[in-house]
Amino acid sequence: QVHLVQSGGEVKEAGASVKVSCKASGYTFTSNGITWVRQAPGQGLEWMGWISPSNGNANYAQKFQGRVTMTTDKSTGIAYMELRSLRSDDTAVYYCARHKDRTWSWDYWGQGTLVTVSS
Amino acid sequence: QSVLTQPPSASGTPGQRVTISCSGSSSNIGSNTVSWYQQFPGTAPKLLIYSNNQRPSGVPDRFSGSKSGTSAALAISGLQSEDEADYYCASWDDSLHGWVFGGGTKLTVL
Repeated sequence: QVHLVQSGGEVKEAGASVKVSCKASGYTFTSNGITWVRQAPGQGLEWMGWISPSNGNANYAQKFQGRVTMTTDKSTGIAYMELRSLRSDDTAVYYCARHKDRTWSWDYWGQGTLVTVSS
Repeated sequence: QSVLTQPPSASGTPGQRVTISCSGSSSNIGSNTVSWYQQFPGTAPKLLIYSNNQRPSGVPDRFSGSKSGTSAALAISGLQSEDEADYYCASWDDSLHGWVFGGGTKLTVL
């Protein structure tokens, strides 16, 4: 069965960087894209970008351009999302999600990683 | 401000049918498919509907999706107390070159 397991919560100071990991299992890692979505406390879902593990090509939401980098490691089946120059409004739960085959949707999600940015 | 517009709240009594709307534009819903997600507090979203009206295996047929023009809707029939959750719509936006979400609808079962 498909599982996406994310790294644990992080507390960072404003201006620092955070790197969240998402380990995939139960399917061929390079067959499906990985999207990153975040959710600030009490707020809705916000799409950050996605990456194709097969070729490493990433597409970022304009809001995060220049501040986010998404990568994958095919040898371990892990996707990473690094966010730099953290601000207090980056405090959120960050989710990775797998693209469902041949659809524009996400069928499996990680459990979420809480990133807290203190000022 | 979300690109897709959903009502912030909806409610119904057990057994009722409830509909949640999702309004967009020609660059997103008007030209791409819509998916719906259910989220309980403290948990990750779960795929409920994909490709406008398709249910993943395991999702009860009480949940259905539809799309017309630049709007979509999620219908829940035979409402149950365990349906109380937040619901989000999503679609690809050709102008923004990325996915966009609705602001979410909190469903209360009275």
